[in-house]
Amino acid sequence: GEDVEQSLFLSVREGDSSVINCTYTDSSSTYLYWYKQEPGAGLQLLTYIFSNMDMKQDQRLTVLLNKKDKHLSLRIADTQTGDSAIYFCAEITGTASKLTFGTGTRLQVTL
Amino acid sequence: EAGVVQSPRYKIIEKKQPVAFWCNPISGHNTLYWYLQNLGQGPELLIRYENEEAVDDSQLPKDRFSAERLKGVDSTLKIQPAELGDSAVYLCASSPGLRSEQFFGPGTRLTVL
Repeated sequence: GEDVEQSLFLSVREGDSSVINCTYTDSSSTYLYWYKQEPGAGLQLLTYIFSNMDMKQDQRLTVLLNKKDKHLSLRIADTQTGDSAIYFCAEITGTASKLTFGTGTRLQVTL
Repeated sequence: EAGVVQSPRYKIIEKKQPVAFWCNPISGHNTLYWYLQNLGQGPELLIRYENEEAVDDSQLPKDRFSAERLKGVDSTLKIQPAELGDSAVYLCASSPGLRSEQFFGPGTRLTVL
C-alpha cells in the first residue's frame, strides 16, 4: 500500500540550512515531488526527482533520494523567512497519475 | 497565463445543506483533479478527469458527493447534504496530461456548522 510519512515540524534560524525528511513505502514510485504550501494558498511544486536519480540540485534546493531505504530529503540552503510554509512530499506510482501526499512538515524560520 | 481558478474561496453552511465548488483549469489542460485536504494533513485525491471522463473516482463518497466536467473544461464538485466532517479545503488541480506536473488552485475552504 501507499504510505508517505514526514515529521510535523521543523524550526531553523534564518541563514541556516533546513533539511526536511520523508519516507515512503511503495517501491514502485516513479517520481517523487516536493510541494510548498503557504497559508491560504494552494500547493506550489518546488522540485521533483525521478526514481533512478540519487540527487538533484536546483539553486538553493537539493533533493536526495535513497531508494534502498525509501527515504527522500529536501535541503534548503540559506533558509529565509519567506521559506516559512508547509512542505509536502508526494509520490506517483505505476501507470496512474495519482499523487500520494505526506502529512506535511511545517517549517518555521526564526530571526 | 492564468492559473487554476476556484470559487468560492470560502464557504460556510449549516449541516444538511447542499454546497457546490467550481474550478476552471489552466487552458489546454486535459486532466483535472479534485483533492480533499483536512486540517494538518496532505491532500487526498477525490476524483480525476481525463477531458470529460471521470477515470478515477474510487475515493469519492458517492452517497453525498458528485462531480461533473461538462465539455471537458470547467468542473463542479457538489456535496448534498453536507455533514460536519466535510469541513476541509477542497483543492482543484490540472495538468497537461497524465503524469505531467499538476498545478493547484488556491482551494475552497468549507466550514459546516
